Amino acid sequence: GESVGLHLPTLSVQEGDNSIINCAYSNSASDYFIWYKQESGKGPQFIIDIRSNMDKRQGQRVTVLLNKTVKHLSLQIAATQPGDSAVYFCAENTGNQFYFGTGTSLTVIP
Amino acid sequence: DSGVTQTPKHLITATGQRVTLRCSPRSGDLSVYWYQQSLDQGLQFLIQYYNGEERAKGNILERFSAQQFPDLHSELNLSSLELGDSALYFCASSGTPYNSPLHFGNGTRLTVT
Repeated sequence: GESVGLHLPTLSVQEGDNSIINCAYSNSASDYFIWYKQESGKGPQFIIDIRSNMDKRQGQRVTVLLNKTVKHLSLQIAATQPGDSAVYFCAENTGNQFYFGTGTSLTVIP
Repeated sequence: DSGVTQTPKHLITATGQRVTLRCSPRSGDLSVYWYQQSLDQGLQFLIQYYNGEERAKGNILERFSAQQFPDLHSELNLSSLELGDSALYFCASSGTPYNSPLHFGNGTRLTVT
């Protein structure tokens, strides 16, 4: 199977600071990547995606960076807010299959 | 709200029993995926359907089966339940089978006692 790993299982940041969540993927053939946010008791919520022909994509307060050379994906959250506290998953798509990491738990300290 | 509806939200049953989990995809989405999420585990892919046809199989046990109906809703059947089957089961849907985001429901929490 595929291996999608996260460098840090937990991350604590001060409210207002920027957060960076990292993800390593193993399949160089993966061509589509997604970040999800999962709050307690809810399903994963789509945040942002990026295709392999891009190295950066920005959304509202979020930026995803893709480094295909080292097979690394990151999610940057600007001005982190208490509502950003959740588990964040990266997912890679190879062919028609999505492979998910185990997640990083982000805690925002007020 | 993702637009994906899963029922029931919670299910408690005994070992050896059989349960059915139901999923209604987002309006217009043809693909339905089923995932299992155990405590401290990532999302484990079980099976995918596209417009009524099985498209891909993951780590789905032989005791588990699924189908997608003509109205595109899907059901996941879990039989001969074991304690280890206790988990969150998520359904997700997408508009096309390739390179489009999955939209997840809020899951069914299954507890096997």
